[in-house]
Amino acid sequence: DAKTTQPTSMDCAEGRAANLPCNHSTISGNEYVYWYRQIHSQGPQYIIHGLKNNETNEMASLIITEDRKSSTLILPHATLRDTAVYYCIACRNSGYSTLTFGKGTMLLVSP
Amino acid sequence: KAGVTQTPRYLIKTRGQQVTLSCSPISGHRSVSWYQQTPGQGLQFLFEYFSETQRNKGNFPGRFSGRQFSNSRSEMNVSTLELGDSALYLCASSWNPGQGANSPLHFGNGTRLTVT
Repeated sequence: DAKTTQPTSMDCAEGRAANLPCNHSTISGNEYVYWYRQIHSQGPQYIIHGLKNNETNEMASLIITEDRKSSTLILPHATLRDTAVYYCIACRNSGYSTLTFGKGTMLLVSP
Repeated sequence: KAGVTQTPRYLIKTRGQQVTLSCSPISGHRSVSWYQQTPGQGLQFLFEYFSETQRNKGNFPGRFSGRQFSNSRSEMNVSTLELGDSALYLCASSWNPGQGANSPLHFGNGTRLTVT
């Protein structure tokens, strides 16, 4: 799996968009970008994944640059319940290969 | 659909003892993975089972073992417990139709093991 780099922490005001960046400059052509988050005392939760195109679901949007070397997870209207550690992972198939979780980004959403 | 269920939620053991943790995957999911999470090392992959066979293994000593049953339920066992084995043990399942396909992991809420 390609190495990913994320900021250690970020702050966001409730109701505003949270934009979480991830760098994966060594990603290979068949590796997807996956995002998971972990709320305190819970297991990680799958958010979204993508290969080349931007993706959107009920939780978030994923913007992948054209060269695929970086991506941004967007939570359009952050709530206090979005406070969590967010992990960006680059891998061929997160259900098949062994996942390497980095330190992630601690997102703190404040009132 | 019920999520991934792990039992027990909390466990306290003494050094030298052994422990067995249980995981019931989401119905229809055939792959089960186990992870260890500690404050210092973060989330680390232990092993993955598919159709009762261990398919991948992380860098952990032989004291850590697991198995998967025909109904996809899985157990992991840690023998001769050490203080450093205190951690949150997470189980994840995925549909996993095959190599090259995409099937995100769905995690349980873990078993918090404390070794004293």
